[in-house]
Amino acid sequence: RKEVEQDPGPFNVPEGATVAFNCTYSNSASQSFFWYRQDCRKEPKLLMSVYSSGNEDGRFTAQLNRASQYISLLIRDSKLSDSATYLCVVNPRQNTGFQKLVFGTGTRLLVSP
Amino acid sequence: DGGITQSPKYLFRKEGQNVTLSCEQNLNHDAMYWYRQDPGQGLRLIYYSQIVNDFQKGDIAEGYSVSREKKESFPLTVTSAQKNPTAFYLCASSEPRGSGYTFGSGTRLTVV
Repeated sequence: RKEVEQDPGPFNVPEGATVAFNCTYSNSASQSFFWYRQDCRKEPKLLMSVYSSGNEDGRFTAQLNRASQYISLLIRDSKLSDSATYLCVVNPRQNTGFQKLVFGTGTRLLVSP
Repeated sequence: DGGITQSPKYLFRKEGQNVTLSCEQNLNHDAMYWYRQDPGQGLRLIYYSQIVNDFQKGDIAEGYSVSREKKESFPLTVTSAQKNPTAFYLCASSEPRGSGYTFGSGTRLTVV
């Protein structure tokens, strides 16, 4: 089983739609969680951290379910510029003062006019 | 502005040749990392360094070497022993307890 698993997609949605991605992780001791965005042929960029209580940043909402070991990302009112690959990222280590992140393979989103 | 600089952006290597990819950061981060990304695949960890003069192998270290003589610099050498080096190489750095990594813009290596 992969440490971090995501549906590769692509998810094809029209502008204005709401879309949700899920991700599961295998290490129940994982400490921190993130969503990264990667545009075609570019480097990944941090979209948002994911907190246990859930958190929102504008049109983006991230949720963490530790009991089921899954993370979600909800995008409301999709824009053409949201088209990208979204990477689910987990830090499986205890808080030792060093991060060694594990990346999912990503979910591709295509937003059409 | 603080950030990570990778160079060159594109690199072409002949069979049997060693090449070195540069990674420099001015974020004052202790930890640095090298990842490889192949089309349709996730990032795979090659090497990482928690502190100057120390580094560890990642999941796919064979055919690669690194050095960490300065905090700011973490160059990656792709040796002739790496049989399939064509890929997108990403360097990253992080704070000890910070939020995730900061990535450089990557080097696209092609074997010709």
